[in-house]
Amino acid sequence: DVKVTQSSRYLVKRTGEKVFLECVQDMDHENMFWYRQDPGLGLRLIYFSYDVKMKEKGDIPEGYSVSREKKERFSLILESASTNQTSMYLCASSLDTPDEQYFGPGTRLTVT
Amino acid sequence: GENVEQHPSTLSVQEGDSAVIKCTYSDSASNYFPWYKQELGKGPQLIIDIRSNVGEKKDQRIAVTLNKTAKHFSLHITETQPEDSAVYFCAASIGDDKIIFGKGTRLHILP
Repeated sequence: DVKVTQSSRYLVKRTGEKVFLECVQDMDHENMFWYRQDPGLGLRLIYFSYDVKMKEKGDIPEGYSVSREKKERFSLILESASTNQTSMYLCASSLDTPDEQYFGPGTRLTVT
Repeated sequence: GENVEQHPSTLSVQEGDSAVIKCTYSDSASNYFPWYKQELGKGPQLIIDIRSNVGEKKDQRIAVTLNKTAKHFSLHITETQPEDSAVYFCAASIGDDKIIFGKGTRLHILP
């Protein structure tokens, strides 16, 4: 079974802090994705990566950056956290595109 | 920009009855249409998908239909069971590497 793990289930940070969300997949997938999920808005794509050191902006990249130094790991970075970044963050991976995406359990981030 | 509209946002059906969720998409080049189920406290999980070269696909109690001309697709769940209660998301491919999600439908199965 494909497994996608995220470093934290719950995280509380202060406004202005730098925040790192880590995601690891164990199936040698080329593609990895970061989404945020908000009530009534569904899942919105922040960034994705189709190869090591490659990244592409999604629909809402403002205020975020990403890093993919190794194939299995994709990190989401909030350079200076703000309260409007309080959300559920979901990481996913896929072997091909467009194709089935395998999601992690999510990180619920609260910025106070 | 491209978008996917999903209806209804909430659906309650009696156990054993059928449930239907409908989506429309805007990008005529979309060719991949997955459906995801998200249970409480978990990430979404694919339950069925369809590509544009077929009009219908079925997997046990779940079926998806696609009308490319009208740009809409639907999820049908028959003989609903309590474990079908969840949030369901439709999605459509945009270009070769992204998918865009609908806003979700919360399905309640009533005893």
